[in-house]
Amino acid sequence: DSGVTQTPKHLITATGQRVTLRCSPRSGDLSVYWYQQSLDQGLQFLIHYYNGEERAKGNILERFSAQQFPDLHSELNLSSLELGDSALYFCASSPGPGTEAFFGQGTRLTVV
Amino acid sequence: EDKVVQSPLSLVVHEGDTVTLNCSYEVTNFRSLLWYKQEKKAPTFLFMLTSSGIEKKSGRLSSILDKKELSSILNITATQTGDSAIYLCASTGNQFYFGTGTSLTVIP
Repeated sequence: DSGVTQTPKHLITATGQRVTLRCSPRSGDLSVYWYQQSLDQGLQFLIHYYNGEERAKGNILERFSAQQFPDLHSELNLSSLELGDSALYFCASSPGPGTEAFFGQGTRLTVV
Repeated sequence: EDKVVQSPLSLVVHEGDTVTLNCSYEVTNFRSLLWYKQEKKAPTFLFMLTSSGIEKKSGRLSSILDKKELSSILNITATQTGDSAIYLCASTGNQFYFGTGTSLTVIP
C-alpha cells in the first residue's frame, strides 16, 4: 500500500457526462500529480499541484480541470466525456518537486 | 521539448538471464531520474538517482545515472518470472516525465 488513495476504483459513464476523480496523497506529501494511461500507452502527464497551487501542466485537455484543496487532497474533473477518454487515471504524491512519487491504485474510467 | 526515451520497447528472456534497460532524457532543469515497475496496476517505486556515477542497488536490481550522457540503466541479474513487468523511467525537471516503458517478459 503506497498510502495514496484514489476513489472511485472504477467508473462507467456515458459520453457527454462529467465525472470527478478524487485523490488523497500520502500524509505529509505536498505534491500531487495526475496521469492518464490509455490501453497500451505510457503514462501521460496531465498536471502537477504543489501545496494548493498549480505547478505544471502537461497534455491536459481543456475539458479537464483539477484542483488541490487546503487539506491537500486533489480532484480531477473530466467533462463532456468522449469514448477516447476511457483510460486509467493515476494520481501520485511526493513530498515536493524532484522527489520520488508514489502512486495510487488508479481509477479506471470507461466511457460508453 | 522535454522527453524521456526508453529502450528496448520489449524484451523476452529466460529465467536466470541478466538484462539491461536503458533510459535517456532531455529535460529542462533536471532534478532526478526515477525507475518504476508496473505490473497489473499502479507503478511501484524502485530507485531515485540524482548523482552521476553512484550505483543504487536493491537485491538483484541496480541502477546508475550518467549525467554527462543524460542517461541511466537498470540492470536485473538472475531474472525470475516475477520480474515480468513494464519498467518505467521518469525524469523530474519542470514536470514529471515518464518514458513509454520497457516491457520485460521472463520465460521459465
